[in-house]
Amino acid sequence: DAGVIQSPRHEVTEMGQEVTLRCKPISGHNSLFWYRQTMMRGLELLIYFNNNVPIDDSGMPEDRFSAKMPNASFSTLKIQPSEPRDSAVYFCASSLASQETQYFGPGTRLLVL
Amino acid sequence: SQQGEEDPQALSIQEGENATMNCSYKTSINNLQWYRQNSGRGLVHLILIRSNEREKHSGRLRVTLDTSKKSSSLLITASRAADTASYFCAASSGGSYIPTFGRGTSLIVHP
Repeated sequence: DAGVIQSPRHEVTEMGQEVTLRCKPISGHNSLFWYRQTMMRGLELLIYFNNNVPIDDSGMPEDRFSAKMPNASFSTLKIQPSEPRDSAVYFCASSLASQETQYFGPGTRLLVL
Repeated sequence: SQQGEEDPQALSIQEGENATMNCSYKTSINNLQWYRQNSGRGLVHLILIRSNEREKHSGRLRVTLDTSKKSSSLLITASRAADTASYFCAASSGGSYIPTFGRGTSLIVHP
């Protein structure tokens, strides 16, 4: 298996632009997680899905952030409009079940100017 | 949700020495996991220890769990420069709780 795939790996955009991050989980995994990592805040859980259904989105910073999982093999995290404080590394992870081992993707490094 | 808190925040040792990192959590758990993150990379799973286990080994890694103290430790024996990374613990509880991560321990192993 190729592992968790994220795209793009790097994104540089200007404030106010829409940003879409993509994730393909490991085939057969039922849970998918989106994290944000910064030096100041560490690793923050934004949202997680179980069987394509959003279970807990309490970590989503504000209405500018939205996440979807239209099927078992694809998820997106969208920021609209983006702001400089959104600059971070965004990780996607998947697992067989929500409490079991998580497999992380390589991350998307986002810079909002 | 459950959260692990790692200690110390930073650890600097010489190659060949042992490195010990600790993790504390707040409520009863189902399992506790340790992960490693190399600079610029995603987290990589190291070991999962369940609440009914007290110790697990994987190569040079040894994880212990003390449920009475609500703590776990990760021991890396005979450390190598390649062990330089951040190490995170994540504890998960029953019900709908999912594992959440602390700030991690930054380990530097000097060659």
